Amino acid sequence: EPEVTQTPSHQVTQMGQEVILRCVPISNHLYFYWYRQILGQKVEFLVSFYNNEISEKSEIFDDQFSVERPDGSNFTLKIRSTKLEDSAMYFCASSGSLNEQYFGPGTRLTVT
Amino acid sequence: DAKTTQPTSMDCAEGRAANLPCNHSTISGNEYVYWYRQIHSQGPQYIIHGLKNNETNEMASLIITEDRKSSTLILPHATLRDTAVYYCIVRRMDSSYKLIFGSGTRLLVRP
Repeated sequence: EPEVTQTPSHQVTQMGQEVILRCVPISNHLYFYWYRQILGQKVEFLVSFYNNEISEKSEIFDDQFSVERPDGSNFTLKIRSTKLEDSAMYFCASSGSLNEQYFGPGTRLTVT
Repeated sequence: DAKTTQPTSMDCAEGRAANLPCNHSTISGNEYVYWYRQIHSQGPQYIIHGLKNNETNEMASLIITEDRKSSTLILPHATLRDTAVYYCIVRRMDSSYKLIFGSGTRLLVRP
């Protein structure tokens, strides 16, 4: 069964550093998403991406964040200058339509 | 998107049906009911969705009341691996891409 994959599973970085989180969505999907979950809190929507552009973003997704689909298979989330409060699980998801979204296993980002 | 209300936690015995309720009294005509679950710290997993008819798939059944103000997710024979947080989400499919997760119901399946 096809699935969304994410790398790395755990990323440790120092405050102020740039990080890139990588995702490989399900191959024939057209819609891509990033969510995050701070430890013990709710899953929060960050951004959706369709047809090579951002289709929707939340207030969390400020100028420090960017997304890219650099080739036909990868979907990345970049945080330019990480803050302590960026520490969270980051989940990538994809969908073939506006129906069900399929989530990856997540990347745990720890900012020290 | 309409707000949903779910019990904080529930439990059921292994092998028995788990019935998870969700209240969405402000749902509008073009909003769907989605159910996802999250096992420990894994990524959320899609379970089922519906508009007004009852739905069934290999994982679960979704029963939506006639007035659509509430729904119940049924896991017919719960196993220990069904222990998870279950999220009921109401969402329009024609305008917004995002899923808005609440706190969900923490289901504990007892041996």
